[in-house]
Amino acid sequence: GIQVEQSPPDLILQEGANSTLRCNFSDSVNNLQWFHQNPWGQLINLFYIPSGTKQNGRLSATTVATERYSLLYISSSQTTDSGVYFCAVFTGGGNKLTFGTGTQLKVEL
Amino acid sequence: GAGVSQSPSNKVTEKGKDVELRCDPISGHTALYWYRQRLGQGLEFLIYFQGNSAPDKSGLPSDRFSAERTGESVSTLTIQRTQQEDSAVYLCASSTSGLGNTIYFGEGSWLTVV
Repeated sequence: GIQVEQSPPDLILQEGANSTLRCNFSDSVNNLQWFHQNPWGQLINLFYIPSGTKQNGRLSATTVATERYSLLYISSSQTTDSGVYFCAVFTGGGNKLTFGTGTQLKVEL
Repeated sequence: GAGVSQSPSNKVTEKGKDVELRCDPISGHTALYWYRQRLGQGLEFLIYFQGNSAPDKSGLPSDRFSAERTGESVSTLTIQRTQQEDSAVYLCASSTSGLGNTIYFGEGSWLTVV
């Protein structure tokens, strides 16, 4: 099956810093989504981005489907950005959304 | 309701007992997913329902696990003869259809088997 790898696995930032999270996938995809899991376990959908670039406030995402990667940018990070960031992909005619390995982010004051 | 609702939010059960977890998807959402997340780990796909089609059960880890859904409404995930390795949070999600649409997760059911 498809492999979805994320980097870095862990990241510590000072409040106000910027960061880039990466998601690499091993096969063609027709749906890619980014999620944030907060420290209480709630998963929030950030972006549906099978290709191109989208922005939402301090967050933006870019997917280059032909090169099999996606990037999530966090600017001016805040402590509330802490948690785990997952990318997830559908492939072909599959029904399941396969999740990546996750990036654990901690933003400190 | 406004979001995906799961119950119970927390469950502690003795090894060998059966448990039933419930998911109430967002109204109008035809697709429903169950995932399992062990502590500190990623999400493992369990099962997918789409309308009245046959469910995709390819992620169920053993025959102790089963799930049902009535039409496009509530789903129940049943774990029989629970084992300690079943301890995890069980997450339910729904969307308007399986592919190409935003997926919304519930807050999960935290299961501890002692």
